[in-house]
Amino acid sequence: KAGVTQTPRYLIKTRGQQVTLSCSPISGHRSVSWYQQTPGQGLQFLFEYFSETQRNKGNFPGRFSGRQFSNSRSEMNVSTLELGDSALYLCASSLLTSGSPYNEQFFGPGTRLTVL
Amino acid sequence: AQTVTQSQPEMSVQEAETVTLSCTYDTSENNYYLFWYKQPPSRQMILVIRQEAYKQQNATENRFSVNFQKAAKSFSLKISDSQLGDTAMYFCAFGDGSARQLTFGSGTQLTVLP
Repeated sequence: KAGVTQTPRYLIKTRGQQVTLSCSPISGHRSVSWYQQTPGQGLQFLFEYFSETQRNKGNFPGRFSGRQFSNSRSEMNVSTLELGDSALYLCASSLLTSGSPYNEQFFGPGTRLTVL
Repeated sequence: AQTVTQSQPEMSVQEAETVTLSCTYDTSENNYYLFWYKQPPSRQMILVIRQEAYKQQNATENRFSVNFQKAAKSFSLKISDSQLGDTAMYFCAFGDGSARQLTFGSGTQLTVLP
């Protein structure tokens, strides 16, 4: 079974632009979470999507948004890019079955975004 | 809000020896999960081991084991018979409820020396 895939793997943008990152979960997984990893702030939770609805959201400005499609693939969008948005963006998928107390998150390889 | 603290930014260990990575956390939750993730230079996050808070028995996975002290809010990772492939950044993480939102520590860079 293929793992979580993220595209593109590397991206260079300039300040003020917007960017869209894509995440394809493991087949059958219904939940997708996004994390931002920077040297200064570490790993921080952005948001989680399940059944095309945002279920949880971290403490990030409204410039960060996302969506999930009916096939569980997810995209995140960052508008009006700032230098501080340079980071590794990781997505993780989980099965999320009803009645299960725990759902392991499987991470993708990440998208490295550089904002110049 | 939960916090996770890893006080050892870097550690090194000789191949075949044992090393312990420390992690403390703070939460008011009673039901939660704790995890150790490994991030090698490839940046792929890999789950090493998890612990359910309601279980008193410490989790073990082959050469990896944890020392979970719920009252002290401490969760350390012991790596036995260290291998070169264990060289990576190790993150301690907290997940409440169904662990759909993880809070990570700042990480410990472990280097296994030949």
